[in-house]
Amino acid sequence: AQTVTQSQPEMSVQEAETVTLSCTYDTSENNYYLFWYKQPPSRQMILVIRQEAYKQQNATENRFSVNFQKAAKSFSLKISDSQLGDTAMYFCALRDAGNMLTFGGGTRLMVKP
Amino acid sequence: GAGVSQSPSNKVTEKGKDVELRCDPISGHTALYWYRQSLGQGLEFLIYFQGNSAPDKSGLPSDRFSAERTGGSVSTLTIQRTQQEDSAVYLCASSRDRESSYEQYFGPGTRLTVT
Repeated sequence: AQTVTQSQPEMSVQEAETVTLSCTYDTSENNYYLFWYKQPPSRQMILVIRQEAYKQQNATENRFSVNFQKAAKSFSLKISDSQLGDTAMYFCALRDAGNMLTFGGGTRLMVKP
Repeated sequence: GAGVSQSPSNKVTEKGKDVELRCDPISGHTALYWYRQSLGQGLEFLIYFQGNSAPDKSGLPSDRFSAERTGGSVSTLTIQRTQQEDSAVYLCASSRDRESSYEQYFGPGTRLTVT
């Protein structure tokens, strides 16, 4: 069975600074996808970034980038130039051939002015 | 276009009552998922529908939980004889197809409180 672990329950960062959220996972599959979702207080899950396991190049989306280390089964999210609107819960998730998403426990990020 | 919608937004029920939660997926999406998010926790998979195939019910926590999907579109999650531990946010998601590459789009969830 696949597992996803987020070891940081809470983090804070000053506005305009950079923060990195950690995620490790385990799966027996060789072909899978990794995701970071953002969940603001509105409860709406919003996809932040996606990484295909077969791609060596790290995904980037504007201020968001990942450090994907396949051998180490690590998938961290870096948020650059943090903004107040980035305050939310962040979930790391894995999707393999089983189709459903397996989520980590989440990291609560607070961006301070 | 319209996203995934869920109703009701909030539901308060007494222990022992049955509840029904509704999900309207994005039009044309063949895959539909239900997840449960307990307070301060990550999301837990419940059930998955793909087209006309038999659903994957492997995540349902007990036989009090059931779900159906009519006409390959709207889905209803039913919880019978609710218990206090059923209190959680129930999230529905849909995806274009079963392929792992396709993003799952989430609805706003239904917050269920069992008193």
